[in-house]
Amino acid sequence: EAGVAQSPRYKIIEKRQSVAFWCNPISGHATLYWYQQILGQGPKLLIQFQNNGVVDDSQLPKDRFSAERLKGVDSTLKIQPAKLEDSAVYLCASSLVTGVGEEQFFGPGTRLTVL
Amino acid sequence: LAKTTQPISMDSYEGQEVNITCSHNNIATNDYITWYQQFPSQGPRFIIQGYKTKVTNEVASLFIPADRKSSTLSLPRVSLSDTAVYYCLVGDMRLSGGYQKVTFGTGTKLQVIP
Repeated sequence: EAGVAQSPRYKIIEKRQSVAFWCNPISGHATLYWYQQILGQGPKLLIQFQNNGVVDDSQLPKDRFSAERLKGVDSTLKIQPAKLEDSAVYLCASSLVTGVGEEQFFGPGTRLTVL
Repeated sequence: LAKTTQPISMDSYEGQEVNITCSHNNIATNDYITWYQQFPSQGPRFIIQGYKTKVTNEVASLFIPADRKSSTLSLPRVSLSDTAVYYCLVGDMRLSGGYQKVTFGTGTKLQVIP
């Protein structure tokens, strides 16, 4: 079974530029998450989709971050304009509901460096 | 959001049993507890999940006391390849399935020593 795909794997931009990340979840997984992981910290949820609807975006900095999930499958996360503090790994995960909860499957992440 | 607290780091010798505890004092009725493992430059990987009492799978056990204010991940006979960061996650299970209000802990860096 193919895993969660993310691209690009690495991105270096200057502050005030824009950037976009792409995620292709595991086929059949209805729920998709975007996380931000700053070095040395745990992943922080940015946005959660159920199919193509937003379940939780309470921690998404909406003045500069946006995300969409087209047709309930692929998703893109955009930052415009980027700030130095946005330097982090952006993780995408999709999930499968099990009999006793939920298992999230993570992609390899996109490492963003803002100069 | 349920806040979680874990020890920052732990060391263990190969072959020993390792217990990592996560504190989640304000856990809610619908919250499930999940543990993930993360290696450098990789996304987290699911280890085990539970709601109460004890859960065991082929790689770990999860102990949750009756008050559910903490949980303990137990790794039997660790090897060098178990060196990683371990995260405790608490999430509110929706009636339709799947988590909401997902919160990862700070993570515990486990170093296994030969």
